[in-house]
Amino acid sequence: AQKVTQAQTEISVVEKEDVTLDCVYETRDTTYYLFWYKQPPSGELVFLIRRNSFDEQNEISGRYSWNFQKSTSSFNFTITASQVVDSAVYFCALSYGGSQGNLIFGKGTKLSVKP
Amino acid sequence: EAGVAQSPRYKIIEKRQSVAFWCNPISGHATLYWYQQILGQGPKLLIQFQNNGVVDDSQLPKDRFSAERLKGVDSTLKIQPAKLEDSAVYLCASNGHGSSGNTIYFGEGSWLTVV
Repeated sequence: AQKVTQAQTEISVVEKEDVTLDCVYETRDTTYYLFWYKQPPSGELVFLIRRNSFDEQNEISGRYSWNFQKSTSSFNFTITASQVVDSAVYFCALSYGGSQGNLIFGKGTKLSVKP
Repeated sequence: EAGVAQSPRYKIIEKRQSVAFWCNPISGHATLYWYQQILGQGPKLLIQFQNNGVVDDSQLPKDRFSAERLKGVDSTLKIQPAKLEDSAVYLCASNGHGSSGNTIYFGEGSWLTVV
């Protein structure tokens, strides 16, 4: 069965610190997709990144970077030089059944960035 | 480009009453999803539509939940009769070109409180 574990329930950092959000997944599918979403207090899920199971290249987008390691079934997310606007709940998700829209979400990590 | 629209944003009802939520996906998106997000948890898929057909409703509690997408565009999710445990945010999402190859966009959600 598919499963996504985000062991960190809440993280609090001071602005400009770097922070890494952990994500560990379980799946028997050979082809799957991994996602990170940001959920601000307004409730909307904001797409951050999608990774397919055949692409283990790390990715950097501005202050955001992602580290995908199939050997450890992990897809970690790092925010460099955090800002107050980064405060939100972050969800890691895994696709199943061959559909990118059928997602299993982790329980989320609440990130608080203090000025 | 307009995002996924949902209404109402907030609803409070008594248990055993009924409620309906409406979703208008991004124009041209063939695939539409309804997710349920209980406080403190990640979203859980309830149902997936491809145009006006149901692709996956395995996690929809069919004794009280129903959903339709009659013309393959907007969709309605209904709960009747509501239970206290149905208190959650109901998120609608959509993507184009079937269920692969495109980003899934979420709406801001409809927040339901059952008292």
